[in-house]
Amino acid sequence: EVQLLESGGGLVQPGGSLRLSCAASGFTFNNYAMSWVRQAPGKGLEWVSSISGGGDSIVSADSVKGRFTISRDNSKDTVYLQMSSLRVEDTAVYYCTKGDTKTISYGGYDYWGQGILVTVSS
Amino acid sequence: DIQMTQSPSAMSASVGDRVTITCRASQGISDYLAWYQQKPGKVPKRLIYGASSLQSGVPSRFSGSGSGTEFTLTISSLQPEDFATYYCLQHYIYPRTFGQGTKVEIK
Repeated sequence: EVQLLESGGGLVQPGGSLRLSCAASGFTFNNYAMSWVRQAPGKGLEWVSSISGGGDSIVSADSVKGRFTISRDNSKDTVYLQMSSLRVEDTAVYYCTKGDTKTISYGGYDYWGQGILVTVSS
Repeated sequence: DIQMTQSPSAMSASVGDRVTITCRASQGISDYLAWYQQKPGKVPKRLIYGASSLQSGVPSRFSGSGSGTEFTLTISSLQPEDFATYYCLQHYIYPRTFGQGTKVEIK
């Protein structure tokens, strides 16, 4: 059974930093791309960033480029999202998602974690 | 960026109704289109991938069709557990973009 368990969320002041982690199990982790998708309170879904199975290809949304960094440790079956220079508008539930393929080229997202809330507020 | 426009944004329907939701892409995306269902406070669940392939475990009353720029999600006979918000996602090109959502409510 595929499981994705996010951790690391919480309340942070504007300009602060936070690192989200997503521990995966139930599949061969390094064979699949992973992504982060977020959802602001009461709003729709927004793709944030994706990383290939080998970690050699990364792409991020313009809204977070230069502030958020996705990475993965295939020895720990874990993907991360390092968030810095956080803004009020980054407040959202962040979902870790598993891709359909190893590359980030065309894959969609088949499994989602439970999500973790990040609140940016003074 | 590719804009994904869903219609309607919200609708009321009764149990047993046939429901159709449309998603239009601002440029062609072949069949790189997925549909997700999200219930309040819950995680999005993929229903359809590749525009028309049913995700394992999803009831057969759900179906998807389309290619290029116009896609539809059809629920052949709406059940009480289907009242939710539905999103389309294009995974043809970056940035990935979702539709704004269609909320299906009880009439």
